[in-house]
Amino acid sequence: EADIYQTPRYLVIGTGKKITLECSQTMGHDKMYWYQQDPGMELHLIHYSYGVNSTEKGDLSSESTVSRIRTEHFPLTLESARPSHTSQYLCASSDVRGQAPYEQYFGPGTRLTVT
Amino acid sequence: GNSVTQMEGPVTLSEEAFLTINCTYTATGYPSLFWYVQYPGEGLQLLLKATKADDKGSNKGFEATYRKETTSFHLEKGSVQVSDSAVYFCALRGLKTSYDKVIFGPGTSLSVIP
Repeated sequence: EADIYQTPRYLVIGTGKKITLECSQTMGHDKMYWYQQDPGMELHLIHYSYGVNSTEKGDLSSESTVSRIRTEHFPLTLESARPSHTSQYLCASSDVRGQAPYEQYFGPGTRLTVT
Repeated sequence: GNSVTQMEGPVTLSEEAFLTINCTYTATGYPSLFWYVQYPGEGLQLLLKATKADDKGSNKGFEATYRKETTSFHLEKGSVQVSDSAVYFCALRGLKTSYDKVIFGPGTSLSVIP
């Protein structure tokens, strides 16, 4: 059973506000990811991390930033929210020890609406 | 580069109908293949996986066989239920290294009606 949590589940916020989406996992996984999911359901990788103090940008350019100070915690921050940031944000982790296939475990997602 | 193509939805079936969702991939070598499912209002869950040619992944009545010759990993279920209504994602991870990214298909929405 995967234990990966995201808060809040739903957030409605005004333009220009700073927001932080929280993601935590209790599985000790080194690798973590943030995906943006558009209304057409397609997933876009926006950030990932190989471990503490490691962060990389994903395939889709994003104005958000991430940090990885602790293994279990991978928050995503938007300094100034805009309506174009309205989307579903999914956090995931994977265990990169041992052998393939290194499947990913997903949190329940945060649905962000910027008005 | 690596890519995944899956059949477009939405797919609507009656309860107890047979389900096939096609998935084909492009990758070098022998990627690991996955099907993930996303129920309404939730994140993705791993449904099944396969790591080498001719492997069959199975779970909850769903099956998919890794076909190297046709570069396919089609999802099948013999008798769908209303509770199977969800979005299904085919995915691959190439090179079997932990540093390789997962490539997701665009997703196929399935609705099962009573």
